[in-house]
This record gives sequence, C-alpha cells and structure tokens, in this order.
Amino acid sequence: KQEVTQIPAALSVPEGENLVLNCSFTDSAIYNLQWFRQDPGKGLTSLLLIQSSQREQTSGRLNASLDKSSGRSTLYIAASQPGDSATYLCAVGEYGNKLVFGAGTILRVKS
Amino acid sequence: NAGVTQTPKFQVLKTGQSMTLQCAQDMNHEYMSWYRQDPGMGLRLIHYSVGAGITDQGEVPNGYNVSRSTTEDFPLRLLSAAPSQTSVYFCASSVLVNTGELFFGEGSRLTVL
Repeated sequence: KQEVTQIPAALSVPEGENLVLNCSFTDSAIYNLQWFRQDPGKGLTSLLLIQSSQREQTSGRLNASLDKSSGRSTLYIAASQPGDSATYLCAVGEYGNKLVFGAGTILRVKS
Repeated sequence: NAGVTQTPKFQVLKTGQSMTLQCAQDMNHEYMSWYRQDPGMGLRLIHYSVGAGITDQGEVPNGYNVSRSTTEDFPLRLLSAAPSQTSVYFCASSVLVNTGELFFGEGSRLTVL
C-alpha cells in the first residue's frame, strides 16, 4: 500500500527566506505527483504537476522536483512572502486514477 | 467559469439520517472523485468515476454510495450517517485519466451528532 509522508509537519520562516518542503513515497510505480496549496476553510489548488517521465516543473517562484527511484519530491519556494502561508500537500497518482495524499506541511511566513 | 461546485457547504445530521452531497463541474471532465479530509490524515479517496455510468471504490467506500448519470454531476450519498463520517468532503475532477491536473471544489463540512 502506497504511503506518502511530508516533512516537516509545520514550518515557520521569516519573509524572504528560500525554503524546501519534502515529500516521500513508498512505491515508485506512480503516474505523476502533484503539489497542492490549501488555504484555511478552502479547497485545494493545484500548484505543480510532474509526470512520471519528468524530473521537475517550475511555476514562478515555485520549483518541484521528482526522483522516482528514491521515492522523493521536493517543493522549493524562493523568496517566501506572507501570502505563501498555507498548507501544502503532495499527492502521488497511481494506476486506477487514484491519488494518495500526504498529511501536508503547514507553512507560516512571518512579515 | 464556475469550475467544481459543491453543495451544501455545511450540514449537521443526526445519527442514522441520510443525505446527499452534490458535486457539479462545468469543464467537461470525464474523471470525478470524492475525498474526505480528517485532521492529521490527509485526504482519502472514497469513490471515483471515469465517465458517465462508470463508478468504482476508493480507499474508504463503506457507508457511501455514488452514481454518475451525466458527465457534469457526481453526487455522494450517505446512507445512514454515523459520527465517524464527520469530516470535510471534497469533490475533484480532471480532464485526463491518470495524468491530468486535479481541480477541487471548496468542500462540504459535515457534522454527525
């Protein structure tokens, strides 16, 4: 059974710092990996989608990498801002149209 | 562009009552799914559908029923609510099976007393 772990569970940083969120998964037979953002009381917004054949994806200040062989993905946020404060979740896409989610990292960026 | 719309946003039920959570999408997505989110556990897949007339079970299907009569709608039915079903429920859709970006609704917060 696929298990997805996110470390750290919570992170508090001053504005302007570059930071890395980690995601690990136990079964490398995945179709893709997605990073989501969730604001309190809201739904999830897709940030980056990496197909299994890709190594990384970039969008603005965000960069996500994927290493299937080691079962790891990282989300890099450059020059963090208070507006980046949210919960970040990673999810791996498996055969059968199923996403398996991690529990998330709660990020707080202090001004 | 409405995207994925869920109703109701909040609901309180008594144990044993039944209800339906509605989900509609206007993006012509073939794939639709229901997740529940509980503190510290991430999101868990309840049921999903790859097209009208086709549904399948996810990780935690017991106590829930779904149907997909149209491409747009994917309702989730609680047959006899239990306190363990207190959760936030999310509907999500995608244009491509397996490889597409997933779009989520705003969620439905359900409390079962």
